[in-house]
Amino acid sequence: IQLTQSPSSLSASVGDSVTITCRASQSISRWVTWFQQRPGKAPKSLIYAASSLESGVPSRFSGSGSGTDFTLTISSLQPEDFATYYCQQYNSYPLTFGGGTKVEI
Amino acid sequence: EVQLLESGGGLAQPGGSLRVSCAASGFTFGSNVMSWVRQAPGKGLECVSSITSRSGGIFYADSVQGRFIISRDNSKKTVYLQMNSLRAEDTAVYYCAKDTTFESWGQGTLVIVSS
Repeated sequence: IQLTQSPSSLSASVGDSVTITCRASQSISRWVTWFQQRPGKAPKSLIYAASSLESGVPSRFSGSGSGTDFTLTISSLQPEDFATYYCQQYNSYPLTFGGGTKVEI
Repeated sequence: EVQLLESGGGLAQPGGSLRVSCAASGFTFGSNVMSWVRQAPGKGLECVSSITSRSGGIFYADSVQGRFIISRDNSKKTVYLQMNSLRAEDTAVYYCAKDTTFESWGQGTLVIVSS
């Protein structure tokens, strides 16, 4: 299953709201996870099952979607949110990732 | 606390072999799918292989099919990735990750394939 993320990069300011989209090549129900990765660090899970927030993740992160179209929204960007974000599907093997979206200042 | 500790990375020659390991603690290892995810320098994430809890299901990305072998030893709480016929494009940080949602990750081990 191919996952296409858009945009591949975006520029935003602290306090902005941003939305990242992830489109699957076939229906994956709600089996999507979103990750944040900062430079030199392992990815960190933010959202699973399309819209469930991982424990400890700030509520400014939210996810939605089902079937083939999914979104990650970050409301009121904070300095620590500037990073690269990936979607991942776990509907079927092999498990696959989107290409990533770099959120820059 | 879940901990995943990768080891075994290093320099390998093209066509050579290397085995990386991931030692797990803090959860019931034998009940979880485990995967290896790699990230080439400056590139995105790629899940190269996954193995189900009792090794009944094993899956590979097309890019490594026939060259890499994943295995696990539940008694040692360790998952392995045997990498054969290595290519320059296999150069990457290799992470192990827990479950199909990759809810926990190790710190990664760097594999460099170069002559």
